[in-house]
Amino acid sequence: AQSVTQPDIHITVSEGASLELRCNYSYGATPYLFWYVQSPGQGLQLLLKYFSGDTLVQGIKGFEAEFKRSQSSFNLRKPSVHWGDAAEYFCAVGAAGNMLTFGGGTRLMVKP
Amino acid sequence: DTGVSQNPRHKITKRGQNVTFRCDPISEHNRLYWYRQTLGQGPEFLTYFQNEAQLEKSRLLSDRFSAERPKGSFSTLEIQRTEQGDSAMYLCASSLEWGASGAHNEQFFGPGTRLTVL
Repeated sequence: AQSVTQPDIHITVSEGASLELRCNYSYGATPYLFWYVQSPGQGLQLLLKYFSGDTLVQGIKGFEAEFKRSQSSFNLRKPSVHWGDAAEYFCAVGAAGNMLTFGGGTRLMVKP
Repeated sequence: DTGVSQNPRHKITKRGQNVTFRCDPISEHNRLYWYRQTLGQGPEFLTYFQNEAQLEKSRLLSDRFSAERPKGSFSTLEIQRTEQGDSAMYLCASSLEWGASGAHNEQFFGPGTRLTVL
């Protein structure tokens, strides 16, 4: 069965600082990996996705993620965080065309 | 296209009552998914449709839950005899079929329906 672990429940960073959110997955085949962001009262918005090819993927809002098969990881990064980035971030793994399995989420707080 | 819409946005009900939620997907999307998200957790898969066919159901979907997509467009999720443990955010998502138009299966989510069972 597929599973996703996000080890950090809460992270606080200062505005302008860099950010890395961790994601580890378990999946028997080639994974399809996603990062979503959820702001209060909002639905989930896709930040980026990995299906194949280049292991460093670029997303919206200046985010990027790197797929490392040997570590079963898909960490999300941003070089400089803005206060508007405060939200909950979810990593997910999906089988082709089917359901997504989400991690428990990481709540990001940004200090001014 | 305005994206995936869900109604109502909030529902408060008493234990034992039945509730029904509606999801309108992005018009050209033939796949529709339901997820449940409890406080402090990530979304959990409930079921999904391809057109009007319900192709997969999670073990989370007890007999009190039923989902339909009668014409392959909008979908409804009904919960009968609600329990306090049903309190959650119910999320709907839609996508193209895998590989359609050269696209991969990116799911677009609606804003959710928050259910509170008293």
